[in-house]
Amino acid sequence: NAGVTQTPKFRVLKTGQSMTLLCAQDMNHEYMYWYRQDPGMGLRLIHYSVGEGTTAKGEVPDGYNVSRLKKQNFLLGLESAAPSQTSVYFCASSYSGTGSEKLFFGSGTQLSVL
Amino acid sequence: AQKVTQAQTEISVVEKEDVTLDCVYETRDTTYYLFWYKQPPSGELVFLIRRNSFDEQNEISGRYSWNFQKSTSSFNFTITASQVVDSAVYFCALSAGEYGNKLVFGAGTILRVKS
Repeated sequence: NAGVTQTPKFRVLKTGQSMTLLCAQDMNHEYMYWYRQDPGMGLRLIHYSVGEGTTAKGEVPDGYNVSRLKKQNFLLGLESAAPSQTSVYFCASSYSGTGSEKLFFGSGTQLSVL
Repeated sequence: AQKVTQAQTEISVVEKEDVTLDCVYETRDTTYYLFWYKQPPSGELVFLIRRNSFDEQNEISGRYSWNFQKSTSSFNFTITASQVVDSAVYFCALSAGEYGNKLVFGAGTILRVKS
């Protein structure tokens, strides 16, 4: 059981470059999320999806775009990377959107923007 | 708005000591859920416990115990007889509101257990 898989695990970008982070889950979960983790700030929600074909903004959506073309995949894009986007990015999923559901997390992507 | 405060940035203990990680939350919702997640050095977040706002019973799971007090808006986590494998970052999180499992996380507490 793979659970939630994120690729790549590490990436270094130059300012202005673009990239896409891929998240895949094999648990048939409806909800998927992208968080970023910064020192002293915990995890903050970037975007989330409540089902195939849907996306919604979280707490810190600026500079990011997402797509959920297939239920099992949730892509996070950076169109023009900035040093402020240097962070560890986590994808997560949950079966439903009720507040009681625990999230299943991927292992994270460490992104550095120079 | 929801907020979670973990005032302890970093804690260092010697193996076999007991340690308590503090978590204070803010929400205006009457229905909400509190969580603790562990992030070991490998990086992946691991779910530890979930508690709903209507259940104030304390819970014990092996060396782990949780104390939920609505009167002080706290959901503290105690590790008894700590072990080196407990070294990790621990996050407290809150889910509240109409729907949507949009967790609000605290800043995390780094726990270092030395042998």
